[in-house]
Amino acid sequence: QVQLMQSGADVKKPGASVTVSCKASGYSFTGFYMHWVRQAPGQGPEWMGWINPKSGDTKYAQKFQGRVTMTRDTSTDTAYMDLSSLTSGDTAVYFCARPLCSSIRCHWFDSWGQGTLVTVSS
Amino acid sequence: SYELTQPPSVSVSPGQTASITCSGDKLGDKFPSWYQQKPGQSPVLVIYHNVKRPSGIPERFSGSDSGNTATLTISGTQAMDEADYYCQAWDSNTVIFGGGTKLTVL
Repeated sequence: QVQLMQSGADVKKPGASVTVSCKASGYSFTGFYMHWVRQAPGQGPEWMGWINPKSGDTKYAQKFQGRVTMTRDTSTDTAYMDLSSLTSGDTAVYFCARPLCSSIRCHWFDSWGQGTLVTVSS
Repeated sequence: SYELTQPPSVSVSPGQTASITCSGDKLGDKFPSWYQQKPGQSPVLVIYHNVKRPSGIPERFSGSDSGNTATLTISGTQAMDEADYYCQAWDSNTVIFGGGTKLTVL
């Protein structure tokens, strides 16, 4: 079965950067886009962007342009999300999510990681 | 930017039908979906492509859309259905989520 295993919780100071990893198993890693979604405390989900694990192509939400970088390592079936210049407003749970189909337009996420809490505090 | 609007809360009695709406411009053309999220858990896809139900999702969950409004209907609501529900759509190559609706089963 599809599993997405994320890295553990992290605490960062304002201005720092954070990397969250997402190790995929149970399916062909390069066959499906990987999306990243975050959720601030008490708020709804917020889409951050996607990476095509086969080509490395990325698309980022405009809000995060210039601050987010999504990469992947096909030798370990792992996707990474880097977010820089952190502020307290970036405190959130970060999820990786896989769509249920392989098309670029397929945005229905039937598999999610367990979430990684990133706390930004001085 | 595109926005999806949901009511903040909906209440329903056990065994009754709950309806949660999501509004957005020409939403039906943007392949809306619905997620259920319980506290401390990852979201679960319950409806996709407007009306389709993923495998493993109970038949009491159904979706419909009409122009600018998508509706998630839960028939015979159970206590376990108490959760936050989010609609989602695809617009201009980006993914948008609604603000969420808290479903309370009284």
